[in-house]
Amino acid sequence: GESVGLHLPTLSVQEGDNSIINCAYSNSASDYFIWYKQESGKGPQFIIDIRSNMDKRQGQRVTVLLNKTVKHLSLQIAATQPGDSAVYFCAEKEGAGGGNKLTFGTGTQLKVEL
Amino acid sequence: NAGVTQTPKFRILKIGQSMTLQCTQDMNHNYMYWYRQDPGMGLKLIYYSVGAGITDKGEVPNGYNVSRSTTEDFPLRLELAAPSQTSVYFCASSRTGSTNEKLFFGSGTQLSVL
Repeated sequence: GESVGLHLPTLSVQEGDNSIINCAYSNSASDYFIWYKQESGKGPQFIIDIRSNMDKRQGQRVTVLLNKTVKHLSLQIAATQPGDSAVYFCAEKEGAGGGNKLTFGTGTQLKVEL
Repeated sequence: NAGVTQTPKFRILKIGQSMTLQCTQDMNHNYMYWYRQDPGMGLKLIYYSVGAGITDKGEVPNGYNVSRSTTEDFPLRLELAAPSQTSVYFCASSRTGSTNEKLFFGSGTQLSVL
């Protein structure tokens, strides 16, 4: 079936550097994508989303890029801080209605080194 | 607001035992969801509900049952626990099922079946 996956299971960055977390998706019909942050012992927390009619969206210190040609999604975190250490998941959804059913990727562990 | 509250946080079951994972939300959300998260994996949808009295299967419903008698509560029932059900369970809710509607997650229930 369709799947959403991540390229790297673990990413280590120095505090203050920029982080880039990648995600590949295979369902070309997906039209909505979300990045979640999951800290240890907690549930996923929404970070930023993007619709398929966009290729870039910016938030506070985070940017999501969408390349529909190669079915690739990335999350960029500027000036990475220790509090950014967490597992990051991409998720995708196809179409409207039928509930907010998301397909999640396997996650990337981001480690921020002091 | 408490948001989405799950109980218990941890539980150990013996094979064949039954239990109910509780989930309640105080945001008056219509949609509620149960996901499971296996180690190193993304979340998989078990069941969801679009409103009181209405439930539907997700990707991995076998071995589970749900009910939605009120808007606030969405309990998940395991009738005959199996080792394959060892996982972390997350309940979530959203106001509607629209494409860009955000999901709010509880902090999870860690279940071990031995």
